[in-house]
Amino acid sequence: GQSLEQPSEVTAVEGAIVQINCTYQTSGFYGLSWYQQHDGGAPTFLSYNALDGLEETGRFSSFLSRSDSYGYLLLQELQMKDSASYFCAVVGGATNKLIFGTGTLLAVQP
Amino acid sequence: DAGVIQSPRHEVTEMGQEVTLRCKPISGHDYLFWYRQTMMRGLELLIYFNNNVPIDDSGMPEDRFSAKMPNASFSTLKIQPSEPRDSAVYFCASSSTRDSSYNEQFFGPGTRLTVL
Repeated sequence: GQSLEQPSEVTAVEGAIVQINCTYQTSGFYGLSWYQQHDGGAPTFLSYNALDGLEETGRFSSFLSRSDSYGYLLLQELQMKDSASYFCAVVGGATNKLIFGTGTLLAVQP
Repeated sequence: DAGVIQSPRHEVTEMGQEVTLRCKPISGHDYLFWYRQTMMRGLELLIYFNNNVPIDDSGMPEDRFSAKMPNASFSTLKIQPSEPRDSAVYFCASSSTRDSSYNEQFFGPGTRLTVL
């Protein structure tokens, strides 16, 4: 079977740094993606890691360790607008098929 | 490009009725995905197409659900007959393997379906 585990909720204050972890167990693995979804909105792409290591995109960074079946999303200099749900998703093959985790609800407080 | 377009945005229907959801992918994208999102089950992949051909429909919950993609710019997801447990937000997404953003799926705004 396939499963992805994420914390259900995380709370942090404006300006802080927060890390959202994701562990996965899948039969096929090409890479790990992260998506952001604001309440009532559609998921939007944040990052993709195919190789081990850290990928940085502005205030957001994503890390992957294939040997540990583990990744994380790091959000720096948190802003109120970062309050949203964050999903990790395994890219299961060359067909771009995504299997989503259960999502982490991030609440940024003033 | 206007992005992925879905219609209707909201649909309220009664149990037993047929429901048809529509999606127009981003022009030039060769993959199209249908997802369903609920609080209980999260974001689930129902079916996806490559170059208009269904590749994997293992996520379709049962025979009441069917999807078609008659051409590169249009897809439908049909539920017949609908049941209250089908109430969810249905997302369509598209992606392209032909450019540098091939790992990114672009989601439409979703259709919020309520079956009474």
